[in-house]
Amino acid sequence: GAVVSQHPSWVICKSGTSVKIECRSLDFQATTMFWYRQFPKQSLMLMATSNEGSKATYEQGVEKDKFLINHASLTLSTLTVTSAHPEDSSFYICSARWGGNTYEQYFGPGTRLTVT
Amino acid sequence: AQKITQTQPGMFVQEKEAVTLDCTYDTSDQSYGLFWYKQPSSGEMIFLIYQGSYDEQNATEGRYSLNFQKARKSANLVISASQLGDSAMYFCAMREAFMDSNYQLIWGAGTKLIIKP
Repeated sequence: GAVVSQHPSWVICKSGTSVKIECRSLDFQATTMFWYRQFPKQSLMLMATSNEGSKATYEQGVEKDKFLINHASLTLSTLTVTSAHPEDSSFYICSARWGGNTYEQYFGPGTRLTVT
Repeated sequence: AQKITQTQPGMFVQEKEAVTLDCTYDTSDQSYGLFWYKQPSSGEMIFLIYQGSYDEQNATEGRYSLNFQKARKSANLVISASQLGDSAMYFCAMREAFMDSNYQLIWGAGTKLIIKP
């Protein structure tokens, strides 16, 4: 149980275009979803926390207008990288927690974004 | 100040040997929890083990055990009888008190473990 999927698993896009990444909890309802960014050989950097039905809370330094997060249902959150540039190339990982006082996060397999 | 410190950027270990990955943490909360995750080259984060601050016994999950030394604020991961498939990045993470954290985890920098045949 507690499976999280991400789509696509990798994407190459041209500079200036927008890319949408989906994160789905397949067998549980995710009260909270987290979006992380990870550069090569580095740790996870939390970008934002989203709770279903409310606006995402962005970490300091993360541009809200650049990285649009929508958590429209208890099983789906999307991250849209708008007007992508090469510096946005990275590995993006989502995770989800099902609620209550549990801290355990279930991670998606990640999406590798390359902007050319 | 770093809340989670993993001092070993990389380690080489001979197959079948035990390995200890270090993790120290810094918190003033009484209630907190510590996680270890494994990230193979494919990228997915795999949950390994969890230790709550009030747990009296060290957590164990198969070949994984967590050496929890509360007074020293350390939560080292021990992998017994290492296997080639254990080669990966390993991250230590902490959650602090419920009220302040929004259920976020604080992550260490990671340790790259390579198992040699």
